[in-house]
Amino acid sequence: GDSVTQMEGPVTLSEEACLTINCTYTATGYPSLFWYVQYPGEGLQLLLKATKADDKGSNKGFEATYRKETTSFHLEKGSVQVSDSAVYFCALKDYGQNFVFGPGTRLSVLP
Amino acid sequence: EAQVTQNPRYLITVTGKKLTVTCSQNMNHEYMSWYRQDPGLGLRQIYYSMNVEVTDKGDVPEGYKVSRKEKRNFPLILESPSPNQTSLYFCASSLLGGITNTEAFFGQGTRLTVV
Repeated sequence: GDSVTQMEGPVTLSEEACLTINCTYTATGYPSLFWYVQYPGEGLQLLLKATKADDKGSNKGFEATYRKETTSFHLEKGSVQVSDSAVYFCALKDYGQNFVFGPGTRLSVLP
Repeated sequence: EAQVTQNPRYLITVTGKKLTVTCSQNMNHEYMSWYRQDPGLGLRQIYYSMNVEVTDKGDVPEGYKVSRKEKRNFPLILESPSPNQTSLYFCASSLLGGITNTEAFFGQGTRLTVV
């Protein structure tokens, strides 16, 4: 079946450091890809998405590009802030319309 | 305001006492799903539903029941809760309609403790 793999962390960075969280997927066809963020004590909220190959999703300084040739959707940010500390989930929506989530990556940003 | 509402937010119960966690969405979404989140295990899908009266098992359905009698509601039922069902539960919903690019919207979560 479809699956999503991502680096599990935890990832600890200093403020203004560069961030990359790797995400790769296995799916039939052309799924849509998503990054969700979960701040402490809250539910998941959509960070960005991409629906076809070479699409780039972006929001709040975060970016991810849908790479079909490597089945990847890595999350990047050039300069993280303390307020970015959260758990990040990579996910796909398959042709059956169900969602599959990765295990999540906890990010801590230190001042 | 478009939202997914779960109740209760927090619940402490005893082993074997039946409970229901409600989930309601006001966006006319066809798809609804339940997940549990446990440390080190990420999000695991319990059950999902593609429309009224259509439900399917996810990855960890044992010990849970669901029903989808109305489009807006998708309650999660634990008929005989056990301590291993202590977890943080999330409900989510999404549009269907033959396209895959619509995202899932999540509720705020229900923290369940079974003693």
